[in-house]
Amino acid sequence: GQNIDQPTEMTATEGAIVQINCTYQTSGFNGLFWYQQHAGEAPTFLSYNVLDGLEEKGRFSSFLSRSKGYSYLLLKELQMKDSASYLCAVRDKDYKLSFGAGTTVTVRA
Amino acid sequence: DTEVTQTPKHLVMGMTNKKSLKCEQHMGHRAMYWYKQKAKKPPELMFVYSYEKLSINESVPSRFSPECPNSSLLNLHLHALQPEDSALYLCASSQTSGAISGANVLTFGAGSRLTVL
Repeated sequence: GQNIDQPTEMTATEGAIVQINCTYQTSGFNGLFWYQQHAGEAPTFLSYNVLDGLEEKGRFSSFLSRSKGYSYLLLKELQMKDSASYLCAVRDKDYKLSFGAGTTVTVRA
Repeated sequence: DTEVTQTPKHLVMGMTNKKSLKCEQHMGHRAMYWYKQKAKKPPELMFVYSYEKLSINESVPSRFSPECPNSSLLNLHLHALQPEDSALYLCASSQTSGAISGANVLTFGAGSRLTVL
C-alpha cells in the first residue's frame, strides 16, 4: 500500500512563492505526479518526476528525491487562479496511482 | 480531442434505483479508470480496465458494476446504493495501465456528482 503525506492547507500572497512538500512510502516506485484540482472540478496534470532532480515548467517546478521518499511542488509568482487543491500522487510497482489527501492553497491579494 | 467526457454531471437517486454513469474518450487510450472522491478527500481507485478487460477491482462492493463496451467507453452501473456512496465519481484514461516509456499521464473527466437519498 501507499502512505502519502502532504500539508492540509497553505496560504500565500499574490506574487509570492509557495512550496508544497510531499513524503511517501510505497511498494515499488514508478513515478510521482502533481495534479491541481479546483473545487468541484477534475484533477489536471501539472508535473511528473521519475528520476531525482528538478523539473521546471513555467511557474511550476517539481523536485524528487527517491532515496528520501520526498517531493515538492514549487509555485512561483502566485496568481489568484492558483488557489486550488494540489494533489501528490505516486505510482507503485503495479502501476496503480494513489493520491495524497491534497494541500489547499489559498492565494490572498 | 484531449478530453474525457462524463455524463451526467449530477445525479440524484434513491436507494432502490438503478442508474448508470458514462465516460467517453477519443484519445486512443487503452486504459480507463473509475475513481471515487468524497469531499476534502483524495480520489480513491475503484476499477481499472486495460484493453477493455477488467484488470483491477479494489474490493468494490457489487452494487457498483463497471462495464467497458469498447475502447472509448466506460460505464459504471449503480444499483441499491447507500447514502454513504454519495461522492464525486471520476473517470480517467491513459495510454496503457502498465509500463510504458514516458509519463503515461492519467487524464481525468470533470466527474459525476452522485447523491444517494
